[in-house]
Amino acid sequence: AQSVTQLGSHVSVSEGALVLLRCNYSSSVPPYLFWYVQYPNQGLQLLLKYTSAATLVKGINGFEAEFKKSETSFHLTKPSAHMSDAAEYFCAVIEYNQGGKLIFGQGTELSVKP
Amino acid sequence: SQTIHQWPATLVQPVGSPLSLECTVEGTSNPNLYWYRQAAGRGLQLLFYSVGIGQISSEVPQNLSASRPQDRQFILSSKKLLLSDSGFYLCAWRGGTEAFFGQGTRLTVV
Repeated sequence: AQSVTQLGSHVSVSEGALVLLRCNYSSSVPPYLFWYVQYPNQGLQLLLKYTSAATLVKGINGFEAEFKKSETSFHLTKPSAHMSDAAEYFCAVIEYNQGGKLIFGQGTELSVKP
Repeated sequence: SQTIHQWPATLVQPVGSPLSLECTVEGTSNPNLYWYRQAAGRGLQLLFYSVGIGQISSEVPQNLSASRPQDRQFILSSKKLLLSDSGFYLCAWRGGTEAFFGQGTRLTVV
């Protein structure tokens, strides 16, 4: 079964600094991987997805992620943090054996300091 | 375009009362549908998923049930709520390689 692990439940950066949110996956088949963002009391919004095309995936709001098979990682980055980036971020993988459900990591809360 | 509607947005219910949360999808047919729960400070826990009308799979034994009476309608229910049922409930549908989420229902059981 597929799974994802997000390293660090809380990450704090200064405005303008690099954002790096870590995600490692476990999958016996080529995975489909996702990053979602959640603002307080709202649903999840898709930031970007990897579907076995280009390994460097660009998403919305200046975020990007790189799929590294050798490291089983799909870390999310943004060169320069904005205050509006403060939110909860979830990494996810599709589990195709069971109804195609999304398996989520535990989430990383990103704080941005002025 | 596809949209997903989930209501109500917030709900305060007493312990022992029933629950019904509804989710409907527009702009697609035969979607895979999912109910997730997010407890305070925790990740997303998959509760139920459905790949078709009347087909429900339960992920976690609990006080809740789900039904799919129509192709694009997914309902989360409980006969008697517990305090531990409090949380943020999210409905989602998946088409191909993307999943789309409703805006969620904040349920507080008092």
